[in-house]
Amino acid sequence: QVQLVESGGGLVKPGGSLRLSCEASGFAFRDYYMSWIRQAPGQGLEWVSYISSSSTFIYYADSVKGRFTISRDNANNSLYLQMNSLRADDTAVYYCARDQKYSGNDYWGQGTLVTVSS
Amino acid sequence: SYELTQPPSVSVSPGQTASITCSGDKLGNKFVCWYQKKPGQSPVLVIYQDTTRPSGIPERFSGFNSGNTATLTISGTQAMDEADYYCQAWDSSPYVFGTGTKLTVL
Repeated sequence: QVQLVESGGGLVKPGGSLRLSCEASGFAFRDYYMSWIRQAPGQGLEWVSYISSSSTFIYYADSVKGRFTISRDNANNSLYLQMNSLRADDTAVYYCARDQKYSGNDYWGQGTLVTVSS
Repeated sequence: SYELTQPPSVSVSPGQTASITCSGDKLGNKFVCWYQKKPGQSPVLVIYQDTTRPSGIPERFSGFNSGNTATLTISGTQAMDEADYYCQAWDSSPYVFGTGTKLTVL
């Protein structure tokens, strides 16, 4: 069955960096677009970034552009999110999700919590 | 940037029909998805491409999209349907989520 397992979250100081990972299994990872989506405490869902199957197309939300970098390793069925210059408002649960474009995000990981605080 | 607006809350009695709206400029020209989000759980896709239910989603969930408004309808609402619901559309961003609606079944 399809599984997505995030890791790498934790407590980091403002201005710091963190790298999130998402390990995929149960499907042909190399054939699918993938997204990172987050939910801040008490807030709604916010799309963060998106990467095409071969990394040709990459998009970022304006709120993270220039600070976050999405990447993937199809040989190791892994998705990454490098987060730099972190701010308090980046505090959230970060989900990786399989992306079917117009057909939505059909599988989600369990999420990893990122807390940015001094 | 493109915005999707949902009512903050909707209440429904068990067994009745709940309707949750999602409004955006010319939304009917875009594909809309709907997600169910319960506390402590990951979101679940309940409708994609405006009207299609993924495998395993009960028939009581249905969707419609036209003009500037998309609607998620839950017929015969059950207590287990109490959750937050989010619409999502593809735009130039490329994705936008709605503001979210808390559905209360009472």
